[in-house]
Formats: sequence, C-alpha cells, structure tokens
Amino acid sequence: AQSVAQPEDQVNVAEGNPLTVKCTYSVSGNPYLFWYVQYPNRGLQFLLKYITGDNLVKGSYGFEAEFNKSQTSFHLKKPSALVSDSALYFCAVRDIGAGNTGKLIFGQGTTLQVKP
Amino acid sequence: EPEVTQTPSHQVTQMGQEVILRCVPISNHLYFYWYRQILGQKVEFLVSFYNNEISEKSEIFDDQFSVERPDGSNFTLKIRSTKLEDSAMYFCASSAGRKTDTQYFGPGTRLTVL
Repeated sequence: AQSVAQPEDQVNVAEGNPLTVKCTYSVSGNPYLFWYVQYPNRGLQFLLKYITGDNLVKGSYGFEAEFNKSQTSFHLKKPSALVSDSALYFCAVRDIGAGNTGKLIFGQGTTLQVKP
Repeated sequence: EPEVTQTPSHQVTQMGQEVILRCVPISNHLYFYWYRQILGQKVEFLVSFYNNEISEKSEIFDDQFSVERPDGSNFTLKIRSTKLEDSAMYFCASSAGRKTDTQYFGPGTRLTVL
C-alpha cells in the first residue's frame, strides 16, 4: 500500500534562512509525488510535483523539492524563507494502482513557522 | 486561471439532518474527488468519481454518503443523516487525468454538526 510520512510536526526557521520540510514515501511502482500548502482557513494549494526526469523539481513561490529514490524521500526546500511561508505543508503520493483512480494519499502535515 | 469552487464555505447543521455540499470542478477535468480534514488531522480521501459513477471509495464513505454530478458542471456530496463526527472541512478536487495530472482543490466547506 502507498504511504507518506512527514516526520516533523513543526519546523521552525528564521526569515532568510534555508528551510527543509521532510517527506518519505512508500509505493509499489513509480512514485508520483506532490507538495501542497494550506494557509489558515484556506484550501490546499499545489506547490510542485515529481513525475519523472530531473530529481530537483522547481515549483511555486520559490519552493523546490528533491526526489531521492534510494532514500525514498521527497523533501521540500527553499533557499531563503519568508515569514509569509508560514503555513501547513502536506506531502502526498498519487495512488495509481490497478483499479484506483488516482486519489492522493497525504502525510500528516508539517507546520512551518518562519520567525522574523 | 480556472479554479475549483465550493459552496457554502461554512455549514452548520443539527445531528441527523441532511446536508449537501456543492462543488464546481474545473471545466475540462474528468476526475473528481472529495476529501475531508478533521480539525488538526491529515487530509483523508473519501471518494472518486469518473465517467458519471463512483470509481473508488474509502471506508469512511458509508451508506450515509452519496455523490452526484447532476448537470455536467456541479459535483455534490450528500450526507443523509449527519453525525457529530462528520464535523470536518470537506474539500473537492478535480484533475484532468488520474496519474500525472495535478489535482486542484477547492477552498473547502467547513461542516459543523451540533
């Protein structure tokens, strides 16, 4: 069965410093991986995805993620954090097994707190 | 830019009442989904819908739940007899395909069951 783990409930970083939000996955077959961000009382906004190709994926708002097959990880990164990046971040894997219609399986979420 | 819309943004209901949550997916998308997020918890899959029928449903999606695409644009989730534990944020999502295409989410409906 597909699964995603986000080992950190919260990540704290100072504004201007690099940030990393960790995600590991377990899938059978090729992984299709996604990052979403949720601001308070808002829906899920798509940040980026890995389907195939370059292991470094660039997305919205200056975020990027590094796919590492050997470590089964897909960590979200940003070189310089902004206070406005403070939000809840979800990693997800697309379930495309036989008979499945591509539902997303989410990690438990990581709260990113960027302090001025 | 096309977006998924949902109404209402907040629904308060009494236990045992029926509620209908509405969604308008992105117009050229073919796959439709409902997810829910209980406060402070992760986002959970409820049901997927393709070609005018349910394609997959989770254990949460019991006989009290139903989905419908009544007119080719709206996509609805009905809860027949709400329970306290149905209180959650409900998200609708749509995608063009089931593998590599991005799922786009609506802003959600916060359901409060009293």
